[in-house]
Amino acid sequence: AQTVTQSQPEMSVQEAETVTLSCTYDTSENNYYLFWYKQPPSRQMILVIRQEAYKQQNATENRFSVNFQKAAKSFSLKISDSQLGDTAMYFCAFMKPSSYNQGGKLIFGQGTELSVKP
Amino acid sequence: ETGVTQTPRHLVMGMTNKKSLKCEQHLGHNAMYWYKQSAKKPLELMFVYNFKEQTENNSVPSRFSPECPNSSHLFLHLHTLQPEDSALYLCASSPGSGGSGNTIYFGEGSWLTVV
Repeated sequence: AQTVTQSQPEMSVQEAETVTLSCTYDTSENNYYLFWYKQPPSRQMILVIRQEAYKQQNATENRFSVNFQKAAKSFSLKISDSQLGDTAMYFCAFMKPSSYNQGGKLIFGQGTELSVKP
Repeated sequence: ETGVTQTPRHLVMGMTNKKSLKCEQHLGHNAMYWYKQSAKKPLELMFVYNFKEQTENNSVPSRFSPECPNSSHLFLHLHTLQPEDSALYLCASSPGSGGSGNTIYFGEGSWLTVV
């Protein structure tokens, strides 16, 4: 069974600084997908970034980038130039490929609560 | 606006009541999901529907009864719930398998309080 571990329950960062959130996972699959979701106080679960395991290049989305280390089963999220609006719970999630014409299933970590301080 | 709409956003119900949560997706997706988020616990997958057929029931108690009349609508019927069922219930959808089809998009959630 796959597991996802986020070892940092809480983190804080000063506005405009850079912060890295850690995530490790365990799987015997060779092909899979990894995601970071953000859940602000509104509780809306918002997709931040996704990574396909077969791609060696790390995904980036504006100020958000990942460091994907497949051999180490590590998938960290780096937030550059942190903004107050980045304050949220961040969830790392794993998905293995689904059967044809079926939606995949996400397995979530416990979350890291990030506070961006002015 | 994410394309996945949940109603009601907040619901308070007694243990003997019957109520329903509704989810509608405007994204043309083929898969829909119910997740439960309790305090201090990771999100738990409850049900998965593909092309309106249930393909996953993650050992959910029968007091939760899902219904998917078409690929755009998903309901969660609630009856004789327990206080420990109080949680945020998140609906989600995804296009299906392959490439971006594996990305899941969530609604804003329905807060349920059982008294």
